[in-house]
Amino acid sequence: AQSVTQLDSQVPVFEEAPVELRCNYSSSVSVYLFWYVQYPNQGLQLLLKYLSGSTLVKGINGFEAEFNKSQTSFHLRKPSVHISDTAEYFCAVKASGTYKYIFGTGTRLKVLA
Amino acid sequence: NAGVTQTPKFRVLKTGQSMTLLCAQDMNHEYMYWYRQDPGMGLRLIHYSVGEGTTAKGEVPDGYNVSRLKKQNFLLGLESAAPSQTSVYFCASTPDVGVNYGYTFGSGTRLTVV
Repeated sequence: AQSVTQLDSQVPVFEEAPVELRCNYSSSVSVYLFWYVQYPNQGLQLLLKYLSGSTLVKGINGFEAEFNKSQTSFHLRKPSVHISDTAEYFCAVKASGTYKYIFGTGTRLKVLA
Repeated sequence: NAGVTQTPKFRVLKTGQSMTLLCAQDMNHEYMYWYRQDPGMGLRLIHYSVGEGTTAKGEVPDGYNVSRLKKQNFLLGLESAAPSQTSVYFCASTPDVGVNYGYTFGSGTRLTVV
C-alpha cells in the first residue's frame, strides 16, 4: 500500500521569502507524484507532477519540486512567495498499475505581508 | 468547457434525511471519484468508478452509495445522513490512469448534517 506524509500542517512565511513544503511517501512499487493547490472555497488544481525523467519538475505559478528516490521525498519549493500563494497544498501519490491517488493531509501556506 | 460540475454547492440536512450529490463532467473522462475532505485528514476516497456501469469502494464507503449509469455522471447518495457525514465532498475525474494526467476536480459540495 502507498502512503503520503506531509509533516507540516501550517507554514507561515513572509512575502518574497523562499518556502519549502515537505512531502514524503512510501511505496513498494513505482509511483507517480503530484502537488495540488486549493485556494479558499475552491476545488483542487494541479500544480505539477513527476512521472519520470528529470527529477526537478517545474509547475505553474513559479513552483517547482524535486523527486528524491533515495529519501522518498517530493518537496515543493518557491524562491519568492506572494500573498496570492496563500492556500492549502496537497501532495499525492499514485502507484503504477492502480486507479487511485492517495493524498496527504495538506499543508496550509500563509504568506504574511 | 465546464469541466467537472458538482451540484448542489451547499446543503444542510437533518439527521436521518437522504440526499444525492451529482457530479457531471463533459470531458469524456473514463474514471470518476468521490472524496471527502475533513480538517486535518486531507482527502479520503469514498467510492470510485473505472467506467460507465461500474463502481468500487474506497477507504471510507460506509453510509454512502454511488451509481454511474451514464459515463458523464457520478452520483453519491446518503440514505440516512449522520452528523459524522458533515464534510466537504469533492468529485474528480481523469481520462486514463495509465497516462497519469492527474485529476480534474469539481468545486465541492459543503454538507452539514444537524
